[in-house]
Amino acid sequence: AQKITQTQPGMFVQEKEAVTLDCTYDTSDQSYGLFWYKQPSSGEMIFLIYQGSYDEQNATEGRYSLNFQKARKSANLVISASQLGDSAMYFCAMRVKAGRRALTFGSGTRLQVQP
Amino acid sequence: EADIYQTPRYLVIGTGKKITLECSQTMGHDKMYWYQQDPGMELHLIHYSYGVNSTEKGDLSSESTVSRIRTEHFPLTLESARPSHTSQYLCASSANRDSGANVLTFGAGSRLTVL
Repeated sequence: AQKITQTQPGMFVQEKEAVTLDCTYDTSDQSYGLFWYKQPSSGEMIFLIYQGSYDEQNATEGRYSLNFQKARKSANLVISASQLGDSAMYFCAMRVKAGRRALTFGSGTRLQVQP
Repeated sequence: EADIYQTPRYLVIGTGKKITLECSQTMGHDKMYWYQQDPGMELHLIHYSYGVNSTEKGDLSSESTVSRIRTEHFPLTLESARPSHTSQYLCASSANRDSGANVLTFGAGSRLTVL
């Protein structure tokens, strides 16, 4: 079975500062993918970034980067230069190669960016 | 512009009523999913489909049922709504290629309240 753990229920960050949201995962599969989604108060899920288990480089997408440490089974999201619009819930998710290709989600971290 | 549409966005209904939450996508994706999410909590997979006439239950037991008669349409039905069904229901789809990097695209969600 796969499991995603997000240990930070809530985080605060000052505008323009960087913030790291933690995510650890557990799987016995060697091939898997890790995802981060943002959910604003309006409720939709917005895809941010993807990291494959065999990718040697950490993924980056604009202000988002993924700090992937395979041996520690962690996939932390780093948001640089936080903006007020970054205030939202953030979910880490995983898909393993075998099986139905659905995503397993963590419990989320609520990020609040303060001016 | 959204390529996956959910209706209704909000529904308040009395106990015992039958409801159908609609989900349609215009991307030609074979794989579709329904997730259930309580406010501020993680997403739980309740149904998924690999294609037409293929549906399976997810990790979280649900009294809802789904059908997949057309590729683009994946409705969810509750025969007799109860207050315990109050939640947000998120529909998603993913591309057909067999890749772990397939991103799930989500609809805006349907927020159901059963009185």
